Amino acid sequence: GQNIDQPTEMTATEGAIVQINCTYQTSGFNGLFWYQQHAGEAPTFLSYNVLDGLEEKGRFSSFLSRSKGYSYLLLKELQMKDSASYLCAGMDSNYQLIWGAGTKLIIKP
Amino acid sequence: NAGVTQTPKFRILKIGQSMTLQCTQDMNHNYMYWYRQDPGMGLKLIYYSVGAGITDKGEVPNGYNVSRSTTEDFPLRLELAAPSQTSVYFCASSPGGEGPVMPQHFGDGTRLSIL
Repeated sequence: GQNIDQPTEMTATEGAIVQINCTYQTSGFNGLFWYQQHAGEAPTFLSYNVLDGLEEKGRFSSFLSRSKGYSYLLLKELQMKDSASYLCAGMDSNYQLIWGAGTKLIIKP
Repeated sequence: NAGVTQTPKFRILKIGQSMTLQCTQDMNHNYMYWYRQDPGMGLKLIYYSVGAGITDKGEVPNGYNVSRSTTEDFPLRLELAAPSQTSVYFCASSPGGEGPVMPQHFGDGTRLSIL
């Protein structure tokens, strides 16, 4: 079957670094997406990885290992506004997204 | 630029009632999607469309219907509302077609309660 696993909740301190992990099993693979979702709002796109390695975008980076079925989202210099849920989604052979339940990130001052 | 617009934002229905959730996009995207999001669960695909006149079932289509008469609009119909359909519904769109994979853009959601 198809499955995406990520931690339910994480807590970090303002100014610190946090890594949110995601493991995936999809029928075929056409890439791995990360989205951010603030409470009561729509998901917004953060990153897309289809090749192994690290993609850096400002304070946010995303890593993919296809052989391990593993990805992580790295957030640096955490700000209070980064408090949100982070959704991992794998794209299968039919180009459909399989979504994880999301990781709720709590930032403490 | 409006992007993906969903109406209504909130709605309370009685069991057995019907309603249509509206979704329109102004980005000329070919692909459109309907998801539901339940607490503690990932987004589940209800229906999707790869272009006007073409629709297909997703993972959880039972109790819903869709149509795609234009590129811009992709309404979702609930015929006989049931408490299990209480959820937040998101419409999304992406360019689709040939070329590199592109992210989906989401509307603000419709919060639906069935009582």
